[in-house]
Amino acid sequence: NAGVTQTPKFQVLKTGQSMTLQCAQDMNHEYMSWYRQDPGMGLRLIHYSVGAGITDQGEVPNGYNVSRSTTEDFPLRLLSAAPSQTSVYFCASMEGNYGYTFGSGTRLTVV
Amino acid sequence: AQSVTQPDIHITVSEGASLELRCNYSYGATPYLFWYVQSPGQGLQLLLKYFSGDTLVQGIKGFEAEFKRSQSSFNLRKPSVHWSDAAEYFCAVDDPYNAGNMLTFGGGTRLMVKP
Repeated sequence: NAGVTQTPKFQVLKTGQSMTLQCAQDMNHEYMSWYRQDPGMGLRLIHYSVGAGITDQGEVPNGYNVSRSTTEDFPLRLLSAAPSQTSVYFCASMEGNYGYTFGSGTRLTVV
Repeated sequence: AQSVTQPDIHITVSEGASLELRCNYSYGATPYLFWYVQSPGQGLQLLLKYFSGDTLVQGIKGFEAEFKRSQSSFNLRKPSVHWSDAAEYFCAVDDPYNAGNMLTFGGGTRLMVKP
């Protein structure tokens, strides 16, 4: 099925560990982004990409890295996990008419 | 910087009753406006969007929203709520001059539906 696929769905990390959240889309969308969702705060933009080889920071980029080597994939890397990064992470891609398609999310707990 | 406020964190309505979810934004001109719905454990689904033109916008699942420039508002409405509408609803704004790059969400309104 066409859409945005995120893996894993759940993850528990220890403080200081690193990991990569995977995001892939098969709709040939140029624009992709990563958000984190915390209670009462809606979704906040971490990083985004307007095409392969181009990335930029969003509202809350600290502690996260991204790269975009292909149109399809946009992984999010946590360099050294902290409890403050406990959240639900959503990847999204965008059509030309600004219809965002969201993945089903990754629930991350940092202990 | 643009911002979005959803004043109601929780709303409970009876099934069959009408619904209005409030959304106020802060932006220097007219932004692009969106409403999304999130069911438990799911990603966000687009309900409707406003770019320009007619200020009353129809969306999926029987929802509509009205853009009021004078009030900087984009409230979501539904004439008769169904139990399946219980979910969290997010209003979002985007900068038309930098569209897609900084979609800003409100804090969300959780809707509960009483039988």
